[in-house]
Amino acid sequence: GESVGLHLPTLSVQEGDNSIINCAYSNSASDYFIWYKQESGKGPQFIIDIRSNMDKRQGQRVTVLLNKTVKHLSLQIAATQPGDSAVYFCAANSGNTPLVFGKGTRLSVIA
Amino acid sequence: NAGVMQNPRHLVRRRGQEARLRCSPVKGHSHVYWYRQLPEEGLKFMVYLQKENIIDESGMPKERFSAEFPKEGPSILRIQQVVRGDSAAYFCASSPRAGLFNEKLFFGSGTQLSVL
Repeated sequence: GESVGLHLPTLSVQEGDNSIINCAYSNSASDYFIWYKQESGKGPQFIIDIRSNMDKRQGQRVTVLLNKTVKHLSLQIAATQPGDSAVYFCAANSGNTPLVFGKGTRLSVIA
Repeated sequence: NAGVMQNPRHLVRRRGQEARLRCSPVKGHSHVYWYRQLPEEGLKFMVYLQKENIIDESGMPKERFSAEFPKEGPSILRIQQVVRGDSAAYFCASSPRAGLFNEKLFFGSGTQLSVL
């Protein structure tokens, strides 16, 4: 089955700097990847997703990069703001399995 | 346009009691997923339901846990004879499309279950 892990449980970034959160997955058959943001006391909020036929996808201030060769996924947040402080989860699956979540990285933005 | 609604937000039960957690998906969504989250952990899949059908319950404990999604009304996650280890946040999510796992899920705010 799939297992998903983040490289760092915590990350501190200065306000205005770029943030990079990394994630590794184990199942080479995984073809869908997604990032969620979870603020304290709230449910996960969708940020961005990417399918395995792509290497990069951009949203508003966020970019997801997928490296299928090394089974690695990253989330880049440009010009990090205090409101970006939260726990970030990556998740992955293939077409017939539920999303498997990693343990999350807590991002703290230093003003 | 309401999102996924879960209630109650907080539920306190004594050991041996029953817990019933409710979830109303996004309007128009007919697929519901339940996940459990322990403190400082990721979300663990429990069960996937469509209206009146359980599609995948591979993450559900074999005993004491059950889930339903009736034709009318919310999805219910039921935990019988709760134990302290059941204390966790339970999240419901929904999706609009049929038969696919690889699409984004819309999550509710969760129910925090505390077992005394």
